[in-house]
Amino acid sequence: DAKTTQPTSMDCAEGRAANLPCNHSTISGNEYVYWYRQIHSQGPQYIIHGLKNNETNEMASLIITEDRKSSTLILPHATLRDTAVYYCIVRPLNTDKLIFGTGTRLQVFP
Amino acid sequence: GAVVSQHPSRVICKSGTSVKIECRSLDFQATTMFWYRQFPKKSLMLMATSNEGSKATYEQGVEKDKFLINHASLTLSTLTVTSAHPEDSSFYICSARSGRGSYNEQFFGPGTRLTVL
Repeated sequence: DAKTTQPTSMDCAEGRAANLPCNHSTISGNEYVYWYRQIHSQGPQYIIHGLKNNETNEMASLIITEDRKSSTLILPHATLRDTAVYYCIVRPLNTDKLIFGTGTRLQVFP
Repeated sequence: GAVVSQHPSRVICKSGTSVKIECRSLDFQATTMFWYRQFPKKSLMLMATSNEGSKATYEQGVEKDKFLINHASLTLSTLTVTSAHPEDSSFYICSARSGRGSYNEQFFGPGTRLTVL
C-alpha cells in the first residue's frame, strides 16, 4: 500500500487559505488520492478525491503534482469550523479499504 | 452526501457483558460496510470489512470471535463486542459505500463511544 506523509500540525488564520500538503511518493499509477477530515469526537467527513487532474468542489481544491508523488488540499477561506484532523489517504488498487495515517491537525485561529 | 447513522452514540457497560452497535445507511444501499476503532488522540484503525450477505473479512490482529460482525441487509451492519473488557473501551466508527471501484467514496457514521467498567 502506498504510504502518505503529512505534517503533524498546522495553523491558519481565519479567512485565509489553508494549504495542507501530503507526500505519497510510492503511489501507483491507478491509485486515487482521498482526503477526509475528522472534527473532534465525530466520524470522518469526505472532502475530495482525485487521480491525476486537479479537482475542486464546494469544500476544497485538490492539487496533484504531475508526477503524482505529492498533493495539496486547499481550503480557500478557512473558518473556525474547519479546525480538524485532515487525513490524506491513497486508496489501494484492488481493495475498497481506506487506511488512515496520522493526519494533520489543522488549527484555525481568529 | 449520503447519511450513515450509528446507534447507540454512547454506551457504558460492565466487564463481561456483550454490546451491540448498529450502523445504518439511511438513504442509500451499502454493498460494503467497514468498522474502525479509534483510541484517544490516535488515528482510525480498520477492524473489518463486511459485504452484504457474506462473512466479514477481518484485519490482521483483530479477533473475529470477539468482534462479531453481521451485515444482514444492504442498509444495516452490526458489530457485537462480546465479553467486553476495559481494554475494549474505544470509539467505534462504521462507514458505508455503495457500488464498486475507486469512484465511490465511503461515508462515515458519527461513531459510538464504548466505555467498559
